[in-house]
Amino acid sequence: GDSVTQMEGPVTLSEEAFLTINCTYTATGYPSLFWYVQYPGEGLQLLLKATKADDKGSNKGFEATYRKETTSFHLEKGSVQVSDSAVYFCALSDRGANNLFFGTGTRLTVIP
Amino acid sequence: DAMVIQNPRYQVTQFGKPVTLSCSQTLNHNVMYWYQQKSSQAPKLLFHYYDKDFNNEADTPDNFQSRRPNTSFCFLDIRSPGLGDAAMYLCATSRDSQGPETQYFGPGTRLLVL
Repeated sequence: GDSVTQMEGPVTLSEEAFLTINCTYTATGYPSLFWYVQYPGEGLQLLLKATKADDKGSNKGFEATYRKETTSFHLEKGSVQVSDSAVYFCALSDRGANNLFFGTGTRLTVIP
Repeated sequence: DAMVIQNPRYQVTQFGKPVTLSCSQTLNHNVMYWYQQKSSQAPKLLFHYYDKDFNNEADTPDNFQSRRPNTSFCFLDIRSPGLGDAAMYLCATSRDSQGPETQYFGPGTRLLVL
């Protein structure tokens, strides 16, 4: 069945450091891939998405590229800020499915 | 701003006492979802409505029910909460479920069972 495996946290970085959060997936079809972010006390917000192989999603300085050959969708940011502290969820949705399959989330803390 | 609203943000109930969580949306989306998220776990889909058509996940306990009286509102009813039902409950909406549509989430309701 479909599943998402996400890098375990928590991750603590200094401001302006480079961020990578790994995400790999298993899917029977051709899924769309998402990164959601959950800031303290708030709901899940869509950060970026990619709907087909080699697509790159980007938003707020974050990027992720849909790699079919390695079944991966790693999240990257070149220079993190304190305001990026949150929990990040990788997720997939298979075509025709009614469900988002989530990873377990990675908590990021950025210190000044 | 168009959004998904959940009330209350925090709910405390007693073991076995029925409780209802509320979700409303101003996005005019035809699909609404309820997820359960336990501590340090991924959100897990309980059920969803496609318009008025109710779709229950196979492993959702009978203790959990849902109502959708109109497009804007959806309720989660827990008939007899147990200690294991303490969790964050997330409501989400999407325009259509016939494909990988983006889902928009509310802030969640954290349920505590005493």
